[in-house]
Amino acid sequence: TQLLEQSPQFLSIQEGENLTVYCNSSSVFSSLQWYRQEPGEGPVLLVTVVTGGEVKKLKRLTFQFGDARKDSSLHITAAQTGDTGLYLCAGDRTSYGKLTFGQGTILTVHP
Amino acid sequence: DAGVIQSPRHEVTEMGQEVTLRCKPISGHNSLFWYRQTMMRGLELLIYFNNNVPIDDSGMPEDRFSAKMPNASFSTLKIQPSEPRDSAVYFCASSLLDIPYEQYFGPGTRLTVT
Repeated sequence: TQLLEQSPQFLSIQEGENLTVYCNSSSVFSSLQWYRQEPGEGPVLLVTVVTGGEVKKLKRLTFQFGDARKDSSLHITAAQTGDTGLYLCAGDRTSYGKLTFGQGTILTVHP
Repeated sequence: DAGVIQSPRHEVTEMGQEVTLRCKPISGHNSLFWYRQTMMRGLELLIYFNNNVPIDDSGMPEDRFSAKMPNASFSTLKIQPSEPRDSAVYFCASSLLDIPYEQYFGPGTRLTVT
């Protein structure tokens, strides 16, 4: 059983469409991170959220941390082909950096 | 600024051989993490160090795996003897001690054990 469940696992959309990726758990996290990983590379940190209900925006990406700090979402507006990649959520229950990662969402944006 | 550096990028070895993976964290970072990524299990934390001291190695699969951090700028992950099921991509990540959850990953070492 995954501590962090991501959905959907795969997402294939056309350029210009909007999308949302979800990260859910029954556990409370002190912080939650979103990473993006491209083939042959390491994950790249996109954002950290630490406060329940927090919303952060990074250009066309909007990240939200649930009020109870058990879930998070990533919303991309007007997706571009450059958004293609593996999106990973990760949570820290310990505040020591002991991250647990979700299985990831593979996003493919078609021109 | 240089990011996390890992070597080698690719390693192919035969079952039973010793494998050593190397990592240089970002200068000034004082926490270092070793992860393993596979299709089946995703990204898993193996061990992490704070100020060169191992803090939690509960993710290390078995005694064949060991990790050291002799100084602030170098760490190794050793597998001896290696087995085919150890085939995976191994990542090193580093962070500042007071923001441990913001981790910066290296490019990884793809290990294949035949």
